[in-house]
Amino acid sequence: AQKITQTQPGMFVQEKEAVTLDCTYDTSDPSYGLFWYKQPSSGEMIFLIYQGSYDQQNATEGRYSLNFQKARKSANLVISASQLGDSAMYFCASNYTGNQFYFGTGTSLTVIP
Amino acid sequence: SQTIHQWPATLVQPVGSPLSLECTVEGTSNPNLYWYRQAAGRGLQLLFYSVGIGQISSEVPQNLSASRPQDRQFILSSKKLLLSDSGFYLCAWRRRGGNTIYFGEGSWLTVV
Repeated sequence: AQKITQTQPGMFVQEKEAVTLDCTYDTSDPSYGLFWYKQPSSGEMIFLIYQGSYDQQNATEGRYSLNFQKARKSANLVISASQLGDSAMYFCASNYTGNQFYFGTGTSLTVIP
Repeated sequence: SQTIHQWPATLVQPVGSPLSLECTVEGTSNPNLYWYRQAAGRGLQLLFYSVGIGQISSEVPQNLSASRPQDRQFILSSKKLLLSDSGFYLCAWRRRGGNTIYFGEGSWLTVV
């Protein structure tokens, strides 16, 4: 069965510091996508970044980067220069079979001023 | 640009009552559509997805059902709600051939 694992239920980071949120996945499919979403307290799910399994370079979107290590089946999210507005739940997701998207249990990030 | 809307935003329903949550997408044709549920403090559980009108795939057997009567409309229903149906329900869409799914605003359901 498809599985996304986020082992950090909660993380703290000092404002302006970088933080890494861990994500591992489990699939034997050669083609898949990896995603990160942010969920503030309001509940909306905000798309942050996407990495394709065939992409050679790590994806970056502004202060977000995805550290993709295919052999280790990990897709960690790195947030640089943390801001107070980054405090939220963060979810890792993947679509192994193309149509279905599966999510991890999330990591709660708190940015400390 | 594409937009997705779902309603109602919040509802409180008694046990045994019916449910209908509606989701519509604008600005695209033939999208893939999804219903997820998020229990309090937990991750997202895929409930249903649809690749076209009348085509519904169920991920988890339960007392919920989904329908897609029109290309850009996705409805989540129940004939009799259970206490365990409480949660945050999210509709999402993906452009045909696209990589990413995008979510609606969500609906908070409390079954009492």
